[in-house]
Amino acid sequence: QVQLQESGPGLVKPSETLSLTCTVSGDSIRSNNYYWVWVRQPPGKGLEWIGSINYSGKTFYNSPLKSRATVSVDTSKNQFSLKLNSVTAADTAVFYCARLDIRMPETTLFDFWGQGTLVTVSA
Amino acid sequence: EVVLTQSPGTQSLSPGGRATLSCRAGQNIGRNSVAWYQQKPGQAPRLLVYGASSRATGIPDRFSGSGSGTDFTLTINRLEPEDSAVYYCQHYGAFGGGTKVEIK
Repeated sequence: QVQLQESGPGLVKPSETLSLTCTVSGDSIRSNNYYWVWVRQPPGKGLEWIGSINYSGKTFYNSPLKSRATVSVDTSKNQFSLKLNSVTAADTAVFYCARLDIRMPETTLFDFWGQGTLVTVSA
Repeated sequence: EVVLTQSPGTQSLSPGGRATLSCRAGQNIGRNSVAWYQQKPGQAPRLLVYGASSRATGIPDRFSGSGSGTDFTLTINRLEPEDSAVYYCQHYGAFGGGTKVEIK
């Protein structure tokens, strides 16, 4: 069974950089079939895709966040990470890491998710 | 970039009834291009349906998806109290705003 676990600080100061890591177990991150993604959810609101990466480091980002987000991968540790710079209170959210299955034509699906971690931006 | 609009915002239904959730795309996105997720409070989303109509592993047949082009539907039959949740549709990097289903 694939499991994903987010880790990182729960509190970040405004203007600083948010850093999170997702550790994957039960599957190798070195697969052509999947991308590894970050999704966030502000309190009481909906889901927002942040960015995705594959094992070779190819990335895609949601346009509104592209200038501030960086997703990276460490295949030796079976981990991938998110950095979001210049954060404000509007970036306060639960951050999820997830696996994105890209095998089917015309569609993608997030089939496994981490439990999520709340990151609060506050002085 | 595709925009997904879900309706209604909230549905309040009785146990044993049927929920019909709509997801409308701002442009034609094909036949097999939407997934549906269930999210309960304090939990991560759970994949229910992918490819518009294929149930994910372990999902009961009370959940069914349909649609193509711009209009997609998630139907939940024989509602149970445990079905109370927010349901999201998804196409590539876009999520709908969600429909809250309350079973009372």
